[in-house]
Amino acid sequence: SAVISQKPSRDICQRGTSLTIQCQVDSQVTMMFWYRQQPGQSLTLIATANQGSEATYESGFVIDKFPISRPNLTFSTLTVSNMSPEDSSIYLCSIPGRGDTQYFGPGTRLTVL
Amino acid sequence: QKEVEQNSGPLSVPEGAIASLNCTYSDRGSQSFFWYRQYSGKSPELIMFIYSNGDKEDGRFTAQLNKASQYVSLLIRDSQPSDSATYLCAVNRDSGYALNFGKGTSLLVTP
Repeated sequence: SAVISQKPSRDICQRGTSLTIQCQVDSQVTMMFWYRQQPGQSLTLIATANQGSEATYESGFVIDKFPISRPNLTFSTLTVSNMSPEDSSIYLCSIPGRGDTQYFGPGTRLTVL
Repeated sequence: QKEVEQNSGPLSVPEGAIASLNCTYSDRGSQSFFWYRQYSGKSPELIMFIYSNGDKEDGRFTAQLNKASQYVSLLIRDSQPSDSATYLCAVNRDSGYALNFGKGTSLLVTP
């Protein structure tokens, strides 16, 4: 199966700043997904990123707050903009596997002070 | 709002026992059902998926699906302390790959 890496693994940021999270896959994939897991909560899909097109955002998430890039078939970035403490979460990228399965990267643990 | 419901637990079972984890979902259009295991501080790891009504076994794990009742469960036989984790139930949306997750059930296997 594909190997997924994320950078950074964790960060502590000041409110009002932005952080860009990178997701790298060791094979080409058409779709990549970005999820958020707030403390004590389950995973919520932020957006689907397809190479060569604009990301598709879920209800409650907007491009100005979470801009996504997908420059090629192995890489994507998610930026968390103008951060507030409510953005403190684990951010995870995922890719499709066989069938309808999804496999997750190791996650980025973000704390906003 | 398409929802996936799980009992948050914690569910405590003794080592060697069977752990039974349950999940209900609201979207009748869902076709694919998944169980992920998440250790504290780690990302979710896929352990089972099931598409058809009935049981699917993989080692110590059995997934059970009842689409009429909109119910999916995971049985873990011969539970081990290393099985202690949060188990997330996920259901695909009828529009494709995107998944809806439950909040997870915390399982504690005591020696």
